Amino acid sequence: QSVLTQPPSASGTPGQRVTISCSGSSSNIGSKTVNWYQQLPGTAPKLLIFSNNQRPSGAPDRFSGSKSGTSASLAISGLQSEDEGDYYCAAWDDSLNGLIFGGGTKLTVL
Amino acid sequence: QLQLRESGSGLVKPSQTLSLTCAVSGGSINSDAYSWSWIRQPPGKGLEWIGYIYHSGRTSYNPSLKSRVTISVDRSKNQFSLILSSVTAADTAVYYCARSYKGGAAYYYFYMDVWGKGTTVTVSS
Repeated sequence: QSVLTQPPSASGTPGQRVTISCSGSSSNIGSKTVNWYQQLPGTAPKLLIFSNNQRPSGAPDRFSGSKSGTSASLAISGLQSEDEGDYYCAAWDDSLNGLIFGGGTKLTVL
Repeated sequence: QLQLRESGSGLVKPSQTLSLTCAVSGGSINSDAYSWSWIRQPPGKGLEWIGYIYHSGRTSYNPSLKSRVTISVDRSKNQFSLILSSVTAADTAVYYCARSYKGGAAYYYFYMDVWGKGTTVTVSS
């Protein structure tokens, strides 16, 4: 079981807004910044959001991140079929002294 | 454009040593701003960070793997490597290398911004 807790699945129809949550503790999300990675089927993960809410160059502005206390969220607006894949949150953990990932959320576009 | 490419043994016998290399192209590994990480993903499962190295040779490892992991850097070849000893079937995974950034105090910022495509390693007799 991952230290960062994500829902195993999420879904939406094209054009909808979907959010994925990531719950942690004071030793990780509560004191560090959160990053989100997108992994499309059969491909390597890709950085989607860094430092809680920053998008790297090339990441669509349909994706946004936020953090409050020991939880973080990834929001996807204007859902598209190509968004289907797995999404992982990650943050450094002081107690474990290492980078930790959430268990991942499989996003399905209906 | 920075690119990373993993290579190495695809099949390793139990109790033996896994060895992988990540070749960096389109940029130099000799950067003080970035470290170089290994991450793995068992079949059908999530991501696990293994560790990182700076061009200076300074490393940080996942405590759960620390006793079996060595990451090294070859600045002349612009590449870095992973050695994982005493492997078992639980080490079967896709192994990724990535460029990582650490900033702020106490790992306030830490993320991987460029990833390789990954290489599959199977542990089996």
